[in-house]
Amino acid sequence: RKEVEQDPGPFNVPEGATVAFNCTYSNSASQSFFWYRQDCRKEPKLLMSVYSSGNEDGRFTAQLNRASQYISLLIRDSKLSDSATYLCVVKAAGSARQLTFGSGTQLTVLP
Amino acid sequence: NAGVTQTPKFRVLKTGQSMTLLCAQDMNHEYMYWYRQDPGMGLRLIHYSVGEGTTAKGEVPDGYNVSRLKKQNFLLGLESAAPSQTSVYFCASSYSDSNQPQHFGDGTRLSIL
Repeated sequence: RKEVEQDPGPFNVPEGATVAFNCTYSNSASQSFFWYRQDCRKEPKLLMSVYSSGNEDGRFTAQLNRASQYISLLIRDSKLSDSATYLCVVKAAGSARQLTFGSGTQLTVLP
Repeated sequence: NAGVTQTPKFRVLKTGQSMTLLCAQDMNHEYMYWYRQDPGMGLRLIHYSVGEGTTAKGEVPDGYNVSRLKKQNFLLGLESAAPSQTSVYFCASSYSDSNQPQHFGDGTRLSIL
């Protein structure tokens, strides 16, 4: 079983739609959680951190369920520019190296 | 606004050749990392460094060596390139606080023939 699992998609949605991505992680010692965005043939860039109480940044909402070891990302009012691959990333406590990436969920927003 | 800079951007090698990838960061980050990314897989950590003069193995270290002689630079070496090392290589850096995100370079596309 992969340490971080994501539905690879692709998700094809019309502009203005709401789309949700899910991610599960296997290491219960994971302490920090992030969503990164990666455009085609580009480097990953931090989209947002995920906090235990859930957090929102504009059209993006991230939630964490530690009991179920589950992270989600909700995108409201999708824009064409949201088309990208979204990477779920978890980090275990106490170690610089234990940043584990999911393989990503591909989103295409259609006009 | 340089951030993390990787050189070269592209390279084609023949099996058995050697080369060094350079990563430089200007954010005074303590930690630096080398990843590889292959189709359908997440980024996998090759080696990392928690400070000048220190390096450690990641998930997939075989066939690679690294050095961190200066805080701002992290070098990745392939001593004898193999076709299985064809990949996109990303360097990243971060502060030592575990809640700080990693900042990535824009990648090196390496093909081994």
